[in-house]
Amino acid sequence: QSALTQPPSASGSPGQSVTISCTGTSSDVGGYNYVSWYQQHPGKAPKLMIYEVSKRPSGVPDRFSGSKSGNTASLTVSGLQAEDEADYYCNSYAGSNNLVFGGGTKVTVL
Amino acid sequence: QVQLQESGPGLVKPSETLSLTCGVSGYSINSGYYWGWIRQPPGKGLEYIGSIFHPGSTYYNPSLKSRVTISVDTSKNQFSLNLNSVTAADTAVYYCARLPKSPRSGGYFDYWGQGTLVTVSS
Repeated sequence: QSALTQPPSASGSPGQSVTISCTGTSSDVGGYNYVSWYQQHPGKAPKLMIYEVSKRPSGVPDRFSGSKSGNTASLTVSGLQAEDEADYYCNSYAGSNNLVFGGGTKVTVL
Repeated sequence: QVQLQESGPGLVKPSETLSLTCGVSGYSINSGYYWGWIRQPPGKGLEYIGSIFHPGSTYYNPSLKSRVTISVDTSKNQFSLNLNSVTAADTAVYYCARLPKSPRSGGYFDYWGQGTLVTVSS
C-alpha cells in the first residue's frame, strides 16, 4: 500500500487561508469516508484535527475544516495563526483493516 | 482524561527484537476501544504499524505483518509491540495511540503517547 500524496509544503500570511491536499486512489481515499488529519509540532506527538473527512473533535477550532472530492481529500485552515505552523498528515482507511498516512505537509505562516 | 505512555529500550541491535509497552491510564484497556502503534523515522512521515481490540482482534500493516505482534495485558492495563528481525530502517520514534473504532469502521487516532525513540544499531 503506497502512502497518500501530499504537497511537501504550503504557506500563507496570518489571517489568510491555506488548503492542503491528500491524494489517494479509489481503494483508499476515494472508496471510504474515513479520512483523518493530524497536526504535529516539532518534537511533539501528532494531534487529531479532523476525522471521518469533515468532523472536528471537541476543542479543535472551527478554523480547521475538511472535505473530499473523488480520490482527493483536503484540509483548509482559515484565519491562519502563528500557532498553526506545523506539519500536517492525512490518513485514510485502505481496505483489509489497514490504515495509510500521507507523506506530510509543512505549513509555514509567513 | 486518557493518557498513554510508551516505555522500552532505546537501543536495539540489528536482527534482534524491538519490544515496547504502552501504559494506559484514565481508561480501562478492555472497555471497547482499539489500541494501536504508529512510527516515524527521524525527519520522515508517519507509518501505521497495527492495532488491537481486546479480546480477539489484531490488525497489522501488510508491509510489517510478518514481523509484528501486538498484545494486551489487562492486568497491567497496557499493550505491547514486538517487532522482530530489526534493521537500521526500523529506527524511529514509536507512538502508541487509541482508536475509537476499528480501522474498517473508520478508525482514527484520538489520543497519543508522547513517543519514544528506538535506535537500531550494533
